[in-house]
Amino acid sequence: AQSVSQHNHHVILSEAASLELGCNYSYGGTVNLFWYVQYPGQHLQLLLKYFSGDPLVKGIKGFEAEFIKSKFSFNLRKPSVQWSDTAEYFCAVNARAASGSARQLTFGSGTQLTVLP
Amino acid sequence: DAGVTQSPTHLIKTRGQQVTLRCSPKSGHDTVSWYQQALGQGPQFIFQYYEEEERQRGNFPDRFSGHQFPNYSSELNVNALLLGDSALYLCASSLRQVANYGYTFGSGTRLTVV
Repeated sequence: AQSVSQHNHHVILSEAASLELGCNYSYGGTVNLFWYVQYPGQHLQLLLKYFSGDPLVKGIKGFEAEFIKSKFSFNLRKPSVQWSDTAEYFCAVNARAASGSARQLTFGSGTQLTVLP
Repeated sequence: DAGVTQSPTHLIKTRGQQVTLRCSPKSGHDTVSWYQQALGQGPQFIFQYYEEEERQRGNFPDRFSGHQFPNYSSELNVNALLLGDSALYLCASSLRQVANYGYTFGSGTRLTVV
């Protein structure tokens, strides 16, 4: 079974500070990795995803994440946060399916990011 | 616009009652998954439907059941509601053969059981 750990439950930063949110997963096979963001009152939106290739992936709104296979980690980063980045961030993983079928997502418990103006 | 439409947006039910939640997937998507998101938690997978059949199921009791229609829309039914079923229920759609490209989520239905 898969599991995802997000160790930071609530992060508070000032605008222009750098951000790094931790994500570790547990699974014995090949996985796809995702970061989703949930702004207050809105639906989950995909920030970025990793399937294969370059372990440093860039997403929307200046976010990036690095897959470190040896550490089972997929940390989210942004060099300079804005007040509008205030939201809840979820790391998710699903098993790589050889047949291409849609495998279930396993989510972490989320990190609430508050950016102070 | 999420592309995935869920109804209703909010619902209050009494313990022991039954509830039906509805989901219309994003245009072009054929697979629907349902997730339960309790307050302060990440979404948890309930089940997934493709070609009108349940294909995968998470660790949820049989009180949770679903259906997918020929137009790919889906329903989630919960019988004998418990207080602990209070949560945000999310529907996510995808295209099965390109499922590795992730899911599109709806805004959810907030269910409160009193």
